[in-house]
Amino acid sequence: GAVVSQHPSRVICKSGTSVKIECRSLDFQATTMFWYRQFPKQSLMLMATSNEGSKATYEQGVEKDKFLINHASLTLSTLTVTSAHPEDSSFYICSARGLAEAFFGQGTRLTVV
Amino acid sequence: GQQLNQSPQSMFIQEGEDVSMNCTSSSIFNTWLWYKQDPGEGPVLLIALYKAGELTSNGRLTAQFGITRKDSFLNISASIPSDVGIYFCAGRGSSNTGKLIFGQGTTLQVKP
Repeated sequence: GAVVSQHPSRVICKSGTSVKIECRSLDFQATTMFWYRQFPKQSLMLMATSNEGSKATYEQGVEKDKFLINHASLTLSTLTVTSAHPEDSSFYICSARGLAEAFFGQGTRLTVV
Repeated sequence: GQQLNQSPQSMFIQEGEDVSMNCTSSSIFNTWLWYKQDPGEGPVLLIALYKAGELTSNGRLTAQFGITRKDSFLNISASIPSDVGIYFCAGRGSSNTGKLIFGQGTTLQVKP
């Protein structure tokens, strides 16, 4: 299947700092990328949908100034968690979709201390 | 928003047994997908279904797109220890964003 690479897989940051997570489609062009958040033992919660070259569409309740999404190319999208707080600690997962189905990255475990 | 009801929530079975899980929705979907997620990893696509009534297999896995377009099931035959994980159904409606709605997940444990 198609390969989506998410980096970093784990990150620990201090409260108040910002963290950037990258999502790359390695062998296909992703016209649409999705960002999810997952709490322990729960399902995936869609945060936002981004299309290359345009602003992301955020789901209700997701702060766009808190979670900055950039989809500058057909193979790269980034999620920046700004001014992180302990409650932002979670598992963040991206998925990328081209002509076929959406494939997921490996996820990023964010811990804010 | 839209939700999928996935059941059962968890299953603990003996190796070699067959497993069945399903998802239902109050609204119609055009696509049903089944994913498996291992701890600390992203979901991996198992089976994709695009037509009402479609029955598709992938090795020991079989999934069907319900005739009403509001439900889908996944069967795993002759389970093995590496089947352990969380299985998610996901549906896509007519939204042009292509976004998926996920079920709550079924946690499968297999006893050797």
